[in-house]
Amino acid sequence: EPEVTQTPSHQVTQMGQEVILRCVPISNHLYFYWYRQILGQKVEFLVSFYNNEISEKSEIFDDQFSVERPDGSNFTLKIRSTKLEDSAMYFCASRGRREENTGELFFGEGSRLTVL
Amino acid sequence: AQKVTQAQTEISVVEKEDVTLDCVYETRDTTYYLFWYKQPPSGELVFLIRRNSFDEQNEISGRYSWNFQKSTSSFNFTITASQVVDSAVYFCALTFSGGYNKLIFGAGTRLAVHP
Repeated sequence: EPEVTQTPSHQVTQMGQEVILRCVPISNHLYFYWYRQILGQKVEFLVSFYNNEISEKSEIFDDQFSVERPDGSNFTLKIRSTKLEDSAMYFCASRGRREENTGELFFGEGSRLTVL
Repeated sequence: AQKVTQAQTEISVVEKEDVTLDCVYETRDTTYYLFWYKQPPSGELVFLIRRNSFDEQNEISGRYSWNFQKSTSSFNFTITASQVVDSAVYFCALTFSGGYNKLIFGAGTRLAVHP
């Protein structure tokens, strides 16, 4: 069964460093998302991406964050200068044309980011 | 406003007890979709069920059942004869028709099932 894959599964970085989290969505999917979950808290929407541009972003998604779909298969989230409060689990998700009328999102297993 | 409320932060039960997790949602849209996800200690989000706003039939899947009531904007989840493996955080979520609409999660309910 097709799945969304994320790398790395866990990354430890120093405050101020740049981090790129990678996602490979399901191949024929069109809509892509990043969510964040700080430990013990709710799953929060960061950004949605469609047709090579951001369709919506939350207040959390400030200038330190960017997303890119560089080669038609990968979908990346970049944090330019990490802060301690960026420590969280980051989930990538995708949706295809078939799911437009069901709402279903397919989630990756998450990338845990620890900022020291 | 579009919002999902899970008022129960934590629930603790003994194995074989039945437990109901509450979910209340707010939306003005007439077409929407409700979901339940399970997040085990390993951290991934496991899809459990989807319901659309036109289908108020309750559903049962093994020990799991869901009660969708539009009149009270609730979509509650019951686990019958709970087991230790049911211990996890459970999230209720809401989204809308259209490809790019985001999923809005509730705060989650942490369920601990003790032997």
